[in-house]
Amino acid sequence: GAVVSQHPSRVICKSGTSVKIECRSLDFQATTMFWYRQFPKQSLMLMATSNEGSKATYEQGVEKDKFLINHASLTLSTLTVTSAHPEDSSFYICSARDRTGGAPYEQYFGPGTRLTVT
Amino acid sequence: GQQLNQSPQSMFIQEGEDVSMNCTSSSIFNTWLWYKQEPGEGPVLLIALYKAGELTSNGRLTAQFGITRKDSFLNISASIPSDVGIYFCAGRNNNAGNMLTFGGGTRLMVKP
Repeated sequence: GAVVSQHPSRVICKSGTSVKIECRSLDFQATTMFWYRQFPKQSLMLMATSNEGSKATYEQGVEKDKFLINHASLTLSTLTVTSAHPEDSSFYICSARDRTGGAPYEQYFGPGTRLTVT
Repeated sequence: GQQLNQSPQSMFIQEGEDVSMNCTSSSIFNTWLWYKQEPGEGPVLLIALYKAGELTSNGRLTAQFGITRKDSFLNISASIPSDVGIYFCAGRNNNAGNMLTFGGGTRLMVKP
């Protein structure tokens, strides 16, 4: 159980265009989804946290107008990179928390999306 | 903010050897997690620890939640080539927004 999917797995886009990445929890309901960014040989950097039906909370230094996050349902969150630039090229990983009542619930990660902006 | 120091940063070992890695924190955590990440993939949860002193195993993996709640270690016994990857520790303080703080990762390479 606790499977998280991401789509697409890889995307190449031209500078100035926007890209949408989807994150789905396949077999559980996620009250909270997290978006991370990871540069080569580095750890995961939290970009934002989104609760279903609420506005996302962005970490310091992350531009909310550039990285639009929507968490419209308990199984889907989207990250849209607007007006992408080459420096936005990175590995984006989403994570979701299981909503199992009363149990300790952990973050399960999607397989990641490799974004390359040319 | 909270920081996790994970060591070693990388290890290159012979198949069959045991491996040990650890994380230390400047502050207390209520939960310690260990993840493994393979190239081009997202992290996969290996072990979750919820109580100080807790020792938990998952196959050849064993992890412990330090008594001080500021550290944790992960051991891998009898390593095999498929153990290759980056291992991340992560801590969570339930009184501090429930966010995970990640260590810098330990890159494990296993020579057959």
